[in-house]
Amino acid sequence: GEDVEQSLFLSVREGDSSVINCTYTDSSSTYLYWYKQEPGAGLQLLTYIFSNMDMKQDQRLTVLLNKKDKHLSLRIADTQTGDSAIYFCAESIRNTGFQKLVFGTGTRLLVSP
Amino acid sequence: ETGVTQSPTHLIKTRGQQVTLRCSSQSGHNTVSWYQQALGQGPQFIFQYYREEENGRGNFPPRFSGLQFPNYSSELNVNALELDDSALYLCASSSNPGLQGKTEAFFGQGTRLTVV
Repeated sequence: GEDVEQSLFLSVREGDSSVINCTYTDSSSTYLYWYKQEPGAGLQLLTYIFSNMDMKQDQRLTVLLNKKDKHLSLRIADTQTGDSAIYFCAESIRNTGFQKLVFGTGTRLLVSP
Repeated sequence: ETGVTQSPTHLIKTRGQQVTLRCSSQSGHNTVSWYQQALGQGPQFIFQYYREEENGRGNFPPRFSGLQFPNYSSELNVNALELDDSALYLCASSSNPGLQGKTEAFFGQGTRLTVV
C-alpha cells in the first residue's frame, strides 16, 4: 500500500530540539525525503536518506530511519523561529517506467521565541 | 530558488470551465511531475512526463491531461472543472524519471487554483 502518516502539529521553544515523526507503508521504498513548505510557497527539499542507512546528519538536521518499523524521524537541533513551517515526509515509490513521491499530510511546526 | 517556474500564481475559474497551468523546468531537466495539494493535505501525484511522453499516472480522471514540449516545459490541463479541483498545483522537475536511484525533485512555487 501507499500511505504515509505524520502527526499534525508540533510546538517548541526557540533553541529547543524538534523531532518530527513519520511512518510509511511501502517496504520497497528506496529513498525517503523530508520537505519544508513555508506559507504560500512550494516545497523545499531539506534532506533525504537511502533505505539501507540508519541515520544521516546534515548540519542541524538528523534523519533516523527504522526500516523494520517503517518509521522515519527528522530532528532539528537548535530550532529557530525561521524553522516554523509545514514539514512533509515522502517516500519514493517505483512503478514501471517512473518513480513518484507519496507524501504525508504534513506536520506544522510552530517555534515560539 | 529552484529554477522551476510556474504560471500563473493564482487563478479563479468557474465550475465546468477548462484551465491550463504552465511549468518551466530547471535547465538540464527532462522530467516533469505534477502534484495536486488540497488544503491541509500533502501533495498527490497526478502524472509524470519524460521526454515529451506521459510515462506515469496517479489516480486522477482523464479530464486531467498534460503535455511536455521539446524544451521540457510542461502544461497541465483540467477540463470540466469541479469545486474539488480547488488546490495548489505543484510542478516538480528532475534530471531523470527516477529509475536509476535517487532523483532529486525540484518544486516550483505552485499555482493556486480556486474553482467557484
